[in-house]
Amino acid sequence: GQQLNQSPQSMFIQEGEDVSMNCTSSSIFNTWLWYKQEPGEGPVLLIALYKAGELTSNGRLTAQFGITRKDSFLNISASIPSDVGIYFCAGLGNSGYALNFGKGTSLLVTP
Amino acid sequence: DTAVSQTPKYLVTQMGNDKSIKCEQNLGHDTMYWYKQDSKKFLKIMFSYNNKELIINETVPNRFSPKSPDKAHLNLHINSLELGDSAVYFCASSQMDGVLYFGEGSWLTVV
Repeated sequence: GQQLNQSPQSMFIQEGEDVSMNCTSSSIFNTWLWYKQEPGEGPVLLIALYKAGELTSNGRLTAQFGITRKDSFLNISASIPSDVGIYFCAGLGNSGYALNFGKGTSLLVTP
Repeated sequence: DTAVSQTPKYLVTQMGNDKSIKCEQNLGHDTMYWYKQDSKKFLKIMFSYNNKELIINETVPNRFSPKSPDKAHLNLHINSLELGDSAVYFCASSQMDGVLYFGEGSWLTVV
């Protein structure tokens, strides 16, 4: 599968700060997804995006499906310690069968 | 009820042994997957089954053999384990939209 370019690789922030991470691809995707993985657990779906330009929120999380269909970003507002984890972007192309994942953004939040 | 469950969660075994990891999903999904997460946290697809039929078989040593007795189960058997097989193995399932739901992972350590 194709690897996505996800940045930043890691972030170390203070509680209350906003966070932004993004993902780019050289190919067009039909679906963009954002997952969060906590230590010792499997990735959990946060937000799913299905249309170019779509902006979707889930609590303090907001994600957008880029207009070119080759990128997506995730914002977390007013971060809290339980936001700690690894955030993965994933894209689904025309094959419709297997997600391509980014390398993850590791987020650490200090109280 | 756990949607995607896999066993065992932890497995420590010696080089050369054969081991299996089992996965079951109660979501009614048609497609199941095995992903490998390496020490750098990169998620790489290994196999995918749709209604018991193998549809994705990435470049994986043939010591790894998946088996799907029915569409709710996908097991992974590994022969002649090597040190480099140490990783976290995630089972996942999806419907036609390709959105993955992951199990909690199986931590395999080969010594």
